[in-house]
Amino acid sequence: DTGVSQDPRHKITKRGQNVTFRCDPISEHNRLYWYRQTLGQGPEFLTYFQNEAQLEKSRLLSDRFSAERPKGSFSTLEIQRTEQGDSAMYLCASSRRGEAFDEQFFGPGTRLTVL
Amino acid sequence: AQSVTQLGSHVSVSEGALVLLRCNYSSSVPPYLFWYVQYPNQGLQLLLKYTSAATLVKGINGFEAEFKKSETSFHLTKPSAHMSDAAEYFCAVSDRDKIIFGKGTRLHILP
Repeated sequence: DTGVSQDPRHKITKRGQNVTFRCDPISEHNRLYWYRQTLGQGPEFLTYFQNEAQLEKSRLLSDRFSAERPKGSFSTLEIQRTEQGDSAMYLCASSRRGEAFDEQFFGPGTRLTVL
Repeated sequence: AQSVTQLGSHVSVSEGALVLLRCNYSSSVPPYLFWYVQYPNQGLQLLLKYTSAATLVKGINGFEAEFKKSETSFHLTKPSAHMSDAAEYFCAVSDRDKIIFGKGTRLHILP
């Protein structure tokens, strides 16, 4: 049973460029979550999927951000017209069922630096 | 809305000494509480979770936490610190379909 994987691990981009991150959850996990972690802060919830349906989006997720999980397996997070404030670690997590007490398994994250 | 507050952004303890990381929660419903650990350049790993089955929860690597409703606390402890415990620790509370994390406490182990 492999863990949650994320690609790329690091991304450096110039302001105004678009970037896309990928997350592969643990197989057969129904729930997939995206979080953002800035320096000195805990992870902040961005959005989550139940299978292929996106069920909730945080107010942190501006219209420049879009996430998909087209076949209920891997997910992508795209940021358009990146800004320096988007620099952060983007974490993906998955859980089996989505019960409130279910453990979420986290990937290693994608560190984004916007110059 | 659910929230957690971690007291102390940095804690230093000597190797072999007691580790105590403090967390207070705010919840309008009986909470599910978690402690996660994050090692450098790694993802978060669950240490333990409280799901109302028992107030004293034992986790991995010798850590445990006690749920105290009267104090709205869920402090993390370990009797004897190891150098390998140096990491960032996050207290968290479940909020329906997502987890709300505290700001984290970085644990430093002094030789």
